[in-house]
Amino acid sequence: GDSVTQMEGPVTLSEEAFLTINCTYTATGYPSLFWYVQYPGEGLQLLLKATKADDKGSNKGFEATYRKETTSFHLEKGSVQVSDSAVYFCALRTGSNTGKLIFGQGTTLQVKP
Amino acid sequence: GAGVSQSPSNKVTEKGKDVELRCDPISGHTALYWYRQSLGQGLEFLIYFQGNSAPDKSGLPSDRFSAERTGGSVSTLTIQRTQQEDSAVYLCASSSPGPSGNTIYFGEGSWLTVV
Repeated sequence: GDSVTQMEGPVTLSEEAFLTINCTYTATGYPSLFWYVQYPGEGLQLLLKATKADDKGSNKGFEATYRKETTSFHLEKGSVQVSDSAVYFCALRTGSNTGKLIFGQGTTLQVKP
Repeated sequence: GAGVSQSPSNKVTEKGKDVELRCDPISGHTALYWYRQSLGQGLEFLIYFQGNSAPDKSGLPSDRFSAERTGGSVSTLTIQRTQQEDSAVYLCASSSPGPSGNTIYFGEGSWLTVV
């Protein structure tokens, strides 16, 4: 079945460091891909998305490119801040308007000053 | 309302009791989802409603779990004879009709503790 695999955390970085969180997927058809973020004590919110191959999603300095050839959607940010500390979830959604989100296990990011 | 609303936000119950968790989706959203997030675990899909179609119940972990959606809006997730392993955050989400790239919006969750 469809699945998402994320790199295991926690990831600990110093402020202004470069961030990469790897995400690969297995899916039949052509999924849409998402990154969701969960800040401490808050609900899950969409960070960015891409709906077809080679699309790049971006938001708040984060980027991810839909790579069909490597079935990947890695999350990157050039310079992280303490406020980026959160749990990041990669997810896919197949189907037209009937698909559910399938999530990876989540990666905890801790940014130290 | 502006977002997906869930209640209660926190619930402590005794093992063996039944609990009901409520979700009020974003107005106009025809799709509604329930997920479970256990400590140290990822997000586990439970059930999905889309309009008047039969719900996708493929994620419900046992027959103690059920959900209904009345009038195409509010949904209730019921857990009967709760067990300690049911302790988790139960997340509700909704989305509008459209392609698979449409955003799914999540509520803040109901934190269930079974003692």
